[in-house]
Amino acid sequence: EDQVTQSPEALRLQEGESSSLNCSYTVSGLRGLFWYRQDPGKGPEFLFTLYSAGEEKEKERLKATLTKKESFLHITAPKPEDSATYLCAVQGTGGGADGLTFGKGTHLIIQP
Amino acid sequence: DAGITQSPRHKVTETGTPVTLRCHQTENHRYMYWYRQDPGHGLRLIHYSYGVKDTDKGEVSDGYSVSRSKTEDFLLTLESATSSQTSVYFCAISESTEKLFFGSGTQLSVL
Repeated sequence: EDQVTQSPEALRLQEGESSSLNCSYTVSGLRGLFWYRQDPGKGPEFLFTLYSAGEEKEKERLKATLTKKESFLHITAPKPEDSATYLCAVQGTGGGADGLTFGKGTHLIIQP
Repeated sequence: DAGITQSPRHKVTETGTPVTLRCHQTENHRYMYWYRQDPGHGLRLIHYSYGVKDTDKGEVSDGYSVSRSKTEDFLLTLESATSSQTSVYFCAISESTEKLFFGSGTQLSVL
């Protein structure tokens, strides 16, 4: 059974204070690891897909990295508009079309 | 939201009544999913579809049924709603079973 654990559950930062969110996963064989952003009252919004250890993806102030056991979402010099819940998900090779396994998310607050 | 419309956006119903939630897409994607999101549990897969009339169960399928008679529509039915089914329900679509695009969600309250 695929499992995803995200830490911390919540994180409060000052504007400009860089940090990282962690996603630890257990999967039979990784087809892909996904990061999503979710704003209150909305559906998750796709950010990145990572497929193999060592891969990195960047988008504005966000950079996602992947190892064989975990992924990090690095946030550099965040702004208040980066406040959201960040979700990590995996898809293993054992499944067919049966979707993604999600972690519980990290609730990020950036204070001005 | 990538051409995905969920309806209704909010619904309050009573225990024991049937409820149907609708997901409509304009992207012609093959795969469609229903997830529920609850505090402390994250997103959990209820049912999914890999084509017209082709559906399968997810992690938390008990008490739910689905139907897909057209590519663009995926219906989730609660045959007899219970308070434990109070949740936010999200529909998602995908062309490749990997990158999922989500709708805005339906907030369902079962009293």
